[in-house]
Amino acid sequence: GENVEQHPSTLSVQEGDSAVIKCTYSDSASNYFPWYKQELGKGPQLIIDIRSNVGEKKDQRIAVTLNKTAKHFSLHITETQPEDSAVYFCAASADSGYALNFGKGTSLLVTP
Amino acid sequence: EAQVTQNPRYLITVTGKKLTVTCSQNMNHEYMSWYRQDPGLGLRQIYYSMNVEVTDKGDVPEGYKVSRKEKRNFPLILESPSPNQTSLYFCASSSQNGEKLFFGSGTQLSVL
Repeated sequence: GENVEQHPSTLSVQEGDSAVIKCTYSDSASNYFPWYKQELGKGPQLIIDIRSNVGEKKDQRIAVTLNKTAKHFSLHITETQPEDSAVYFCAASADSGYALNFGKGTSLLVTP
Repeated sequence: EAQVTQNPRYLITVTGKKLTVTCSQNMNHEYMSWYRQDPGLGLRQIYYSMNVEVTDKGDVPEGYKVSRKEKRNFPLILESPSPNQTSLYFCASSSQNGEKLFFGSGTQLSVL
């Protein structure tokens, strides 16, 4: 089955800096790559997603890039703010979302 | 308000005592899914359902049962809980085959 590796497991940045989280996947048939943000005590919330026919997608301070050849995708957060502090999960699916495989998560801390 | 509602939020039980965690969504979503979240392991899919009366196993289905008799409800049943099922459980729903998931707030289960 699909294996999704996520790095780093923890990340600490200063407010205003950029944060980058990277994920690799094993199944070359994967075609859907979402990112979820989980705040303490809450369920994960979708923040951005990308399909395999798109190389990059942006939404305000958040962007995701996909390299199908290398089988990796990354989340970029610019101008980080303390409210960006949370656990972020990447995921991949080879069948348009039916069976998502999640990475183990990255705990991001943004310090003022 | 669009939401996925799980009950209970917290549950402590003993080995072998059957329990049900309920999940209900008010968005008329066809797709629903259950995940468990364990420290260092991320989110792992237990079961999913693409529509009423259609369910499929995820990555970790052993020891769990589900049913989908109505579109809005997707209960998770533990017939004989064991301590290794102590975990944080999330229900999720989607209108797009598992893409753009809406998650519930979670159920923290402890099996003694």
